[in-house]
Amino acid sequence: AQKITQTQPGMFVQEKEAVTLDCTYDTSDQSYGLFWYKQPSSGEMIFLIYQGSYDEQNATEGRYSLNFQKARKSANLVISASQLGDSAMYFCAMREVGTYKYIFGTGTRLKVLA
Amino acid sequence: DVKVTQSSRYLVKRTGEKVFLECVQDMDHENMFWYRQDPGLGLRLIYFSYDVKMKEKGDIPEGYSVSREKKERFSLILESASTNQTSMYLCASINRGTQETQYFGPGTRLLVL
Repeated sequence: AQKITQTQPGMFVQEKEAVTLDCTYDTSDQSYGLFWYKQPSSGEMIFLIYQGSYDEQNATEGRYSLNFQKARKSANLVISASQLGDSAMYFCAMREVGTYKYIFGTGTRLKVLA
Repeated sequence: DVKVTQSSRYLVKRTGEKVFLECVQDMDHENMFWYRQDPGLGLRLIYFSYDVKMKEKGDIPEGYSVSREKKERFSLILESASTNQTSMYLCASINRGTQETQYFGPGTRLLVL
């Protein structure tokens, strides 16, 4: 069965430093997509970054990059130059191509310290 | 920009009441979803709809039903609310394309007393 594992329930990072949020996944399919979402205290889920299983390069979106290691089935999110506004809950998710089912991890709460 | 709206941000209901949660998207998306979010459990899929009047059960459909009479609107119904349905409810719709990223509404925090 498909599964997303986020082992860090909470993390702290100093402002302006980089932080890595871990995500591992389990699937037997060859074709799938990986997503990261940010959820501030307001509740809305904000899409951050996407990585397709066949993408050869790691995805990047501004200060966000996805460290995709297919053989290890990991899709870690790297946030560079952390800002106070990055304090939020972060969710990793996966969708197998051909289905409309998205599997979410349990999330990592990030706190950026001034 | 895609906009997904939900009818209420906060809702307080009594046990046994029938509860309607409404979700509207303005980008002509075919696929819409209802999730429930609880601490330590992440997001769990309740139902999704891939077209008007079409629906499929997700992982936790018990105690819920849905309605999709128009493409832009997807309603979640709690037939007889119970205290264990106190939760955050999130609606989402899909942007068709290579990424098929889900776009979420602001969420409804439901408290059942």
